Amino acid sequence: DAGVTQSPTHLIKTRGQQVTLRCSPKSGHDTVSWYQQALGQEPQFIFQYYEEEERQRGNFPDRFSGHQFPNYSSELNVNALLLGDSALYLCASSPTGSAYGYTFGSGTRLTVV
Amino acid sequence: DQQVKQNSPSLSVQEGRISILNCDYTNSMFDYFLWYKKYPAEGPTFLISISSIKDKNEDGRFTVFLNKSAKHLSLHIVPSQPGDSAVYFCAASSNTGANSKLTFGKGITLSVRP
Repeated sequence: DAGVTQSPTHLIKTRGQQVTLRCSPKSGHDTVSWYQQALGQEPQFIFQYYEEEERQRGNFPDRFSGHQFPNYSSELNVNALLLGDSALYLCASSPTGSAYGYTFGSGTRLTVV
Repeated sequence: DQQVKQNSPSLSVQEGRISILNCDYTNSMFDYFLWYKKYPAEGPTFLISISSIKDKNEDGRFTVFLNKSAKHLSLHIVPSQPGDSAVYFCAASSNTGANSKLTFGKGITLSVRP
């Protein structure tokens, strides 16, 4: 049983560019959350998607947006990249309405230069 | 404001001994607590959790204790093994309906010496 799959694993972008990160949730999971983990810091909640809608959002600017598809996969988009956006971006999936079953992917390492 | 605090950044223990990792929280709405283990360049891996209606949960070598009045929880690993060396994150959730984001502490790096 495949867990959470994220792509790409590593990415280098230039300031001002836009980036799209992708996530396929674990089989049977329909809720997808995204977290940002800066180097040496804890994961910070970005937003959560369920039924193709953003259900909850953390303290991140509008440059961060997302999408969920009918097959529950999700994308995270970041516009106008800043150096401070460099981080490991983690996708976590879970069954509906539960924190108990969170499964994390290995993340996408984004470097902004 | 840090709602989940892991005040010790690192811990070193001898193989076979007990590792005790501590975590404090400030938000009284948290009612579910989880411990995750993380290796570099990998996502967090779920270890063990505890609901606020319990004060102890055990799974093999791992036991989590919750003291609600003190807003404190701890993870005990007995016996510690070199493969336990990793960063351990304490996380909390308030399972208010479908919105159950996780709030993480800053993590503690555990080193188990052979």
